[in-house]
Amino acid sequence: SQELEQSPQSLIVQEGKNLTINCTSSKTLYGLYWYKQKYGEGLIFLMMLQKGGEEKSHEKITAKLDEKKQQSSLHITASQPSHAGIYLCGADIGSGNTPLVFGKGTRLSVIA
Amino acid sequence: NAGVTQTPKFQVLKTGQSMTLQCAQDMNHNSMYWYRQDPGMGLRLIYYSASEGTTDKGEVPNGYNVSRLNKREFSLRLESAAPSQTSVYFCASSRDRGAYSPLHFGNGTRLTVT
Repeated sequence: SQELEQSPQSLIVQEGKNLTINCTSSKTLYGLYWYKQKYGEGLIFLMMLQKGGEEKSHEKITAKLDEKKQQSSLHITASQPSHAGIYLCGADIGSGNTPLVFGKGTRLSVIA
Repeated sequence: NAGVTQTPKFQVLKTGQSMTLQCAQDMNHNSMYWYRQDPGMGLRLIYYSASEGTTDKGEVPNGYNVSRLNKREFSLRLESAAPSQTSVYFCASSRDRGAYSPLHFGNGTRLTVT
């Protein structure tokens, strides 16, 4: 969906480096979700952010929601090959009761 | 835990053929969804069912029909397949349709229409 823009589209990082993926909405966010997808597989739910300023962590992955800017960032610390995949953000940008729309995804490669 | 199960995993159709993609969830979720994923387009919603007995169109419903057979099952039918329907189809479910109810996805059906 063009209503959710992800950047960058793709990213190649060296193992051990940090990285950030951004997700920006053109509308008010009623919940922001981050998913990870490996090639040929379904989407795995990582975390959900509900309130402006909220921050959540899962292992070495941290996500923040800046509600004022209608933006979320996903930060990976000390990247590992297991972090490679496609990261997608999804959000309810309707009334808080509408199905999720998704960004186009960010393809992450981690090289040794 | 099975979660969301989709069948088949792969399918090749000729233009004009019909088929039904099956989806079942065992999490007692109320809402179910069908998305398609295409390169450069991301995930786009085809149809969804907020609760048993209801269905609604999503962003790209043309050429598809759905049936919410019961609370567990939500099928997607292509009546006359077209090459433009070549895609990876994902079924998902959530506890509710609301904003704070994460979607759980199946592993997808890779469909090619020749």
